[in-house]
Amino acid sequence: DADVTQTPRNRITKTGKRIMLECSQTKGHDRMYWYRQDPGLGLRLIYYSFDVKDINKGEISDGYSVSRQAQAKFSLSLESAIPNQTALYFCATSAVSGANVLTFGAGSRLTVL
Amino acid sequence: QKEVEQNSGPLSVPEGAIASLNCTYSDRGSQSFFWYRQYSGKSPELIMSIYSNGDKEDGRFTAQLNKASQYVSLLIRDSQPSDSATYLCAVNVNYGQNFVFGPGTRLSVLP
Repeated sequence: DADVTQTPRNRITKTGKRIMLECSQTKGHDRMYWYRQDPGLGLRLIYYSFDVKDINKGEISDGYSVSRQAQAKFSLSLESAIPNQTALYFCATSAVSGANVLTFGAGSRLTVL
Repeated sequence: QKEVEQNSGPLSVPEGAIASLNCTYSDRGSQSFFWYRQYSGKSPELIMSIYSNGDKEDGRFTAQLNKASQYVSLLIRDSQPSDSATYLCAVNVNYGQNFVFGPGTRLSVLP
């Protein structure tokens, strides 16, 4: 099983719909992140969380919200999806100490029509 | 705004050649630097991390860091077609709390 699991892997939805992308991890990491990837723009940080009670906005948080339900679970919501939120979304985790590198999930491809 | 810049490419090299990928960053306080490889439609995977000035070698890969010039590079020796991917440079910012990524350089190794 993957260390960082994202669901769904692919989703097509319509403008105005509410969408939730879920992320769970078995690495025991405290830090979790949501990134968005668009062609030519690299990975941009949406939200990050260092523990269940700590939620922080990233570079592009407008139009998104998150929930850290447990140390192992971090969900990203689009309350009212719009076409320019069509992108590949990645969840990632990192440890507080040690190498402090990011481990990514497989990604969730979202298409908003 | 803390930035990481890379040439978008594509960078094309023949099989067996050395591929050189470059990255510059704006945050002088950054202490940790990473190279990720990403195949099309897949998630990024870490291939190198570097924390001190100088060179760090791991197999065919060598990362080079120059903090004074705010520059980090990745050399791939004996390039293989399987190295064809997008290479993302990432930098730790905000005292290690966050990671900022460059736009990536697309590498194509021609058989």
